[in-house]
Amino acid sequence: AQSVTQLGSHVSVSEGALVLLRCNYSSSVPPYLFWYVQYPNQGLQLLLKYTSAATLVKGINGFEAEFKKSETSFHLTKPSAHMSDAAEYFCAVTRPFQGAQKLVFGQGTRLTINP
Amino acid sequence: NAGVTQTPKFQVLKTGQSMTLQCAQDMNHEYMSWYRQDPGMGLRLIHYSVGAGITDQGEVPNGYNVSRSTTEDFPLRLLSAAPSQTSVYFCASSYSGTALNQPQHFGDGTRLSIL
Repeated sequence: AQSVTQLGSHVSVSEGALVLLRCNYSSSVPPYLFWYVQYPNQGLQLLLKYTSAATLVKGINGFEAEFKKSETSFHLTKPSAHMSDAAEYFCAVTRPFQGAQKLVFGQGTRLTINP
Repeated sequence: NAGVTQTPKFQVLKTGQSMTLQCAQDMNHEYMSWYRQDPGMGLRLIHYSVGAGITDQGEVPNGYNVSRSTTEDFPLRLLSAAPSQTSVYFCASSYSGTALNQPQHFGDGTRLSIL
């Protein structure tokens, strides 16, 4: 079964520093992977998605993620953190479910930005 | 473009009461789903629909009912509220119910407390 593991439930970085949020997946076939962001008291917003067209995927708000099959990873990065990046981030994979699809989420990583 | 709209945003119920959480999307998406988000358990699929007139159970369907009479609307009914149903509920939609590369778009959630 496909699943995702996010390493680190909390990550704290200084404003202007590199953001690195880790996600590893388990899958016997190339997966379709997504990163979502959830700001306080809001829904989940799609940051970016990997659908096998390119291994380096650029998303919104300056985020990007690199698909590495050899490491079964899809880590999310941003070169320079802003205060507005403070949120919870979820890695997710779609899998077949009863003839349809469902999203399988990681447990989430809460990102804190220090001034 | 409103996307996925959920109402109400907040609700407090007493044990045994019933209520309906509303969800509407204006993107002409085939697939709609309901998730609940609980601390330490991530997001779990309650019910889903691959088109008007078609619904099916997800991972945690007990105590909930759904219907899909139109493409746009997918209400979630709590039949007899229990404290274990205290959670944040998210509605999501996607262009296709079977295409694994299609992202899901989420509403802002309904925060439900059962006393």
